[in-house]
Amino acid sequence: AQSVSQHNHHVILSEAASLELGCNYSYGGTVNLFWYVQYPGQHLQLLLKYFSGDPLVKGIKGFEAEFIKSKFSFNLRKPSVQWSDTAEYFCAVNYNAGNMLTFGGGTRLMVKP
Amino acid sequence: DSGVTQTPKHLITATGQRVTLRCSPRSGDLSVYWYQQSLDQGLQFLIQYYNGEERAKGNILERFSAQQFPDLHSELNLSSLELGDSALYFCASSVVGNSGNTIYFGEGSWLTVV
Repeated sequence: AQSVSQHNHHVILSEAASLELGCNYSYGGTVNLFWYVQYPGQHLQLLLKYFSGDPLVKGIKGFEAEFIKSKFSFNLRKPSVQWSDTAEYFCAVNYNAGNMLTFGGGTRLMVKP
Repeated sequence: DSGVTQTPKHLITATGQRVTLRCSPRSGDLSVYWYQQSLDQGLQFLIQYYNGEERAKGNILERFSAQQFPDLHSELNLSSLELGDSALYFCASSVVGNSGNTIYFGEGSWLTVV
């Protein structure tokens, strides 16, 4: 079955620290890849997406992600986090022009001021 | 604001009851998706409609059903509710029903079954 894994369930960082959240997906053909963020009490918001082309994708709020096909990975990065980045982050994959997103289990990020 | 509107935002109901959650997609989006987010199951895809027709079905219980109306709004009907159905139900929409499109989420409907 197609699956998406986010190995870090909880991450605690201090402000200005660098962030990298892991996302690995199972093989299943062609993929479109997404990172969504969910701030406390809010809905899922799209951070960035990868469909094709440059595997290094830049998103909103200073986030970026790198698609490494050989590793089936799409890790999210930010050079310097802020307290306002405290949220839950979800990696999601769309397989083979399918009709749904398969989500990872999410990573809760807490940034200490 | 994603442009996807969901009502109600919060709902408390008793076991055995039936509720209807409503979703209005972004203007121009033909595809509507329903997801359930719970602590133990995470984010689970339930069902997708595209221009009124069911397009894909995920982990949706038989007690649950959905439809998309000619004006493209959608409703998710949850019946014979159980405590375990307590969750945040998201609706999402996109322009087309397959690859290459971006899915935008509404703010969700919090359902508490007591």
